[in-house]
Formats: sequence, structure tokens, C-alpha cells
Amino acid sequence: KNEVEQSPQNLTAQEGEFITINCSYSVGISALHWLQQHPGGGIVSLFMLSSGKKKHGRLIATINIQEKHSSLHITASHPRDSAVYICAAPAGGGADGLTFGKGTHLIIQP
Amino acid sequence: SQTIHQWPATLVQPVGSPLSLECTVEGTSNPNLYWYRQAAGRGLQLLFYSVGIGQISSEVPQNLSASRPQDRQFILSSKKLLLSDSGFYLCAWSRGSGYTFGSGTRLTVV
Repeated sequence: KNEVEQSPQNLTAQEGEFITINCSYSVGISALHWLQQHPGGGIVSLFMLSSGKKKHGRLIATINIQEKHSSLHITASHPRDSAVYICAAPAGGGADGLTFGKGTHLIIQP
Repeated sequence: SQTIHQWPATLVQPVGSPLSLECTVEGTSNPNLYWYRQAAGRGLQLLFYSVGIGQISSEVPQNLSASRPQDRQFILSSKKLLLSDSGFYLCAWSRGSGYTFGSGTRLTVV
């Protein structure tokens, strides 16, 4: 089964800073997901990507299939970006569903 | 458009009480359906998945059960809740490599 590791676990930054969250996985995949979980608990799907780079507003996600690694970047970070960011990859090994990372708890201070 | 509805967003239940969380999907047919749980300090973990009506696979033994009475309806149940059932529950559906996530339910058992 796929093992998904995220780093850092916790990140505190000042408003305006460029943020990078990393995700690595152990088994080759067709697509990787980035999710955002706000303090109230609701999950929002940010990206699904299988190659290269995707951009949505100030969020950028990249993936390197060969290196089994993905990054989520936030440009010009804002306090409203404070949330838990989770990456998820297909479980693999014949198993169904996704394997999720433990999440990165991001706090952006004004 | 394809959407997924999960309710309620938050729930507080006493120990020993029953549980029923419902998830419904719109805009697709014969999806794979999933229930995940996130316990405190841990990543989301697959509880159940279903590839069709009445077909349920369980990933981990627990105090919970799942049912799929209709193609686009997935229900998570318990006859008697335990304190350890507290957590964040997430429903999702997939076709191919694409996943759509519900917003989640935060369950607190008191």
C-alpha cells in the first residue's frame, strides 16, 4: 500500500510569506490530491494533478512523478489561508480508496 | 454537475446512542463510494468502500457498519456509540482516478 508523508507537520508564517508544503509517496500513482481542512472541519478539494503544475489563484501545486513528490505553494499568504492542508494518493497495492497524509497545520499570522 | 452531500456538519451524541450519517451523490451513476475517519492527531483512514448497491467492504474492524441501499446513497451507522468513535467522518466518491469529497461530519461522543 502507498505510504504518504507530509512535511512540515506544523508551519507558522507571517502574512505575505511564500509557503511550501511537501508530500511524498511510496507507490507510483495516476493522480494526487491536495485538500484543505478549515478549523470547523469542512474539507475542500484544492487540486487533483497527475503531472506538471496547476494553479488556482494564489495556490500552486506541482508534482514530479519520477521522484514521487508533490508540493503545494501559497504565494502572498494571508491569515485566511490558515488551515490544515492534506495530500492524498491512491492506496495502491490492489487496495481501493486513497491514502492520506497526516496533514500540515498552517497558521498565517497578520 | 456532480456533487456530494454529507450531513450533518457537526454532531454531539451520548455514549451508547445510535448513529446514522448519510451521504448522497448527484450527477453520476454507479460511483465507488467511501467512508473515511480522521481520529485526533491522525490522518484520514478508510473505513468502508462500496463498488455497488449492497456491496460493502470494510478496511478496519470497528464499532461501525455501512450500507448502500441505493446507487447514490451511502450510510454509516452504529448501534451503540463509543467514546473512541469521536472524530471527523468524510464521505467521498470516485470514478476512475477522480475523487469528489463531502464536506465532512465532526462527531463528538460524550
